[in-house]
Amino acid sequence: SQTIHQWPATLVQPVGSPLSLECTVEGTSNPNLYWYRQAAGRGLQLLFYSVGIGQISSEVPQNLSASRPQDRQFILSSKKLLLSDSGFYLCAWNGGGLTDTQYFGPGTRLTVL
Amino acid sequence: AQSVTQPDIHITVSEGASLELRCNYSYGATPYLFWYVQSPGQGLQLLLKYFSGDTLVQGIKGFEAEFKRSQSSFNLRKPSVHWSDAAEYFCAVGAGGTSYGKLTFGQGTILTVHP
Repeated sequence: SQTIHQWPATLVQPVGSPLSLECTVEGTSNPNLYWYRQAAGRGLQLLFYSVGIGQISSEVPQNLSASRPQDRQFILSSKKLLLSDSGFYLCAWNGGGLTDTQYFGPGTRLTVL
Repeated sequence: AQSVTQPDIHITVSEGASLELRCNYSYGATPYLFWYVQSPGQGLQLLLKYFSGDTLVQGIKGFEAEFKRSQSSFNLRKPSVHWSDAAEYFCAVGAGGTSYGKLTFGQGTILTVHP
């Protein structure tokens, strides 16, 4: 069966520090991968998605970037964190089909101080 | 572009009472519709989905939802709520086709269950 992992689970970082969040999927190949941010009371905002290695699409211009160095690995990064980057970051995957369901990881709680 | 509206930010029900969470979507073609549930500090879990066919969809944990094209709605229902159903619920719409499986989510409805 497929599983999705995210780490770290929680992170507290000072403003201006770099960021690297990792997401990995097991039990599938060539998935579509997604990064979302969830701010309190604001639902889920799609940040990036990827349909293959090295292929990244950005949905919202911002202080963050994403990379997909391996088929089942998706990384969210920042060179300098802002206070507004605080939130709950969720990674998700689907099988790549036109109507496939997205499955979510456990999330990373990021607090920028 | 598609959009999703969940009109109720917060709903409170008594344990054992029936539940209906509202979801309205905007999309020009046949949508793919989903309901997810999120417990505090956790990821999202799929409750049910509608792609085509029977407009009444059964999901996990005793939930069901009905797709009504004429009303652009996909409301989630449960006949008898349990305390463990307290969580936040998200409705989402997907466009299929060349959208690469992207989903648009509503703002969520927080469900509180009183004993």
